[in-house]
This record gives sequence, structure tokens and C-alpha cells, in this order.
Amino acid sequence: KAGVTQTPRYLIKTRGQQVTLSCSPISGHRSVSWYQQTPGQGLQFLFEYFSETQRNKGNFPGRFSGRQFSNSRSEMNVSTLELGDSALYLCASSPGTGFGNTIYFGEGSWLTVV
Amino acid sequence: QKEVEQNSGPLSVPEGAIASLNCTYSDRGSQSFFWYRQYSGKSPELIMSIYSNGDKEDGRFTAQLNKASQYVSLLIRDSQPSDSATYLCAVNTNTGGFKTIFGAGTRLFVKA
Repeated sequence: KAGVTQTPRYLIKTRGQQVTLSCSPISGHRSVSWYQQTPGQGLQFLFEYFSETQRNKGNFPGRFSGRQFSNSRSEMNVSTLELGDSALYLCASSPGTGFGNTIYFGEGSWLTVV
Repeated sequence: QKEVEQNSGPLSVPEGAIASLNCTYSDRGSQSFFWYRQYSGKSPELIMSIYSNGDKEDGRFTAQLNKASQYVSLLIRDSQPSDSATYLCAVNTNTGGFKTIFGAGTRLFVKA
């Protein structure tokens, strides 16, 4: 069974640009969560989508947005990039949402903002 | 108070010893708890999940949960150099909406 697939794996963007990251969950998984990981802040929850609906959102500015498609694939977008947005962005999928659902991570997208 | 707290380490143990990693959480309503391992430059991978008070063993790994004390731990027996990684404690919480939140992680070094 294929794991969570994230694209692109590595990218470099300039301040002020925008970026879109893509995530394909494990087959059969309907929930997708996004996390930002930086050395200083650790793993920070961005948002979760289930059945094309955003179920929860972390404490990030509105420049961070996402969506989920009917096939459960998800994208996240960051607009007006800042240097501090440089991070590893991790997508995780789980069969459903709620207690007892284990999340499984993709390999991540390494974003560098210069 | 952070929602999930871990000692950042580094925790250094000799090969063959038992490594003990600890985690506390603030949401008394949490019901699902997880340990992930993350090698440098890689994404977190699930080691174990635990839902009930007590111990859960899987090979060299034992997870321990005490909901009354809001405490989760991970024991690694017969530690190997390949166990050197950052260990992340994760908790499902429904405060402010359901999500899985992570501690900052404990770095473990196993010396050969």
C-alpha cells in the first residue's frame, strides 16, 4: 500500500511569492492534516481536512490556506511568503477523524524562502 | 503551559541500556497517545499508539500511560545506535477542535 505522497520535495521561493504544496493520502484515508516543522517551534498544526471540509485550523495567519478534493488529495497554499516560512511542511493522513485515528506522515516538502 | 511537554534532551545512553522517554500533556480529555521517531532530515514515523492506562509492549518498545497523572512514557530496551533519533510524543485533543498535537521531541543518542 503506497504511503502519503507529497510534492514537490524541495523548493526555493523568493519573499513575496506564493507556493502550493500537494499531498496524496494513503488509499482509503479521508482525513488529511498539515503541519509545519521548524527547529525553533517543532511540529505545529496547520489544519485538518475531512471529506473536503476544513475541520480545524491552527494558529497561523490567513496567508496559509488549504483545500481537499473529492478524491481526498489535498493542497496547501502560502501566499506572500516571508523568510520565516522556511520550514519542512508535512502532510499526514488518517482513515477518519476523531480519537483513535492514527496519522501517518509523508516525506515532507522542504521550503526555503530567500 | 505547553499542551504536550517533553524534555528536549539530549538523552545519552550506552548501547544495550534502557532508554526512558517521558511526556506530559495538559488536556485531561485526551484519549489517544502516540510515539513517533524522527531521524534527522526525515519525516516522523509511528512507533506505537496507546489508549488505555498501563503498559503496551511491541518488541523492544514499551509505552506506558497514566491518565490520572497525564503522563506518557516510552521505554526502549536493549538500545541500539540505530535508535538514535528524536522521539516525538503526540496526543489527540478536542480542545478548540480535534487535532493531533506534538511535543517538541526528545533527542536520543545511543553510544556504541
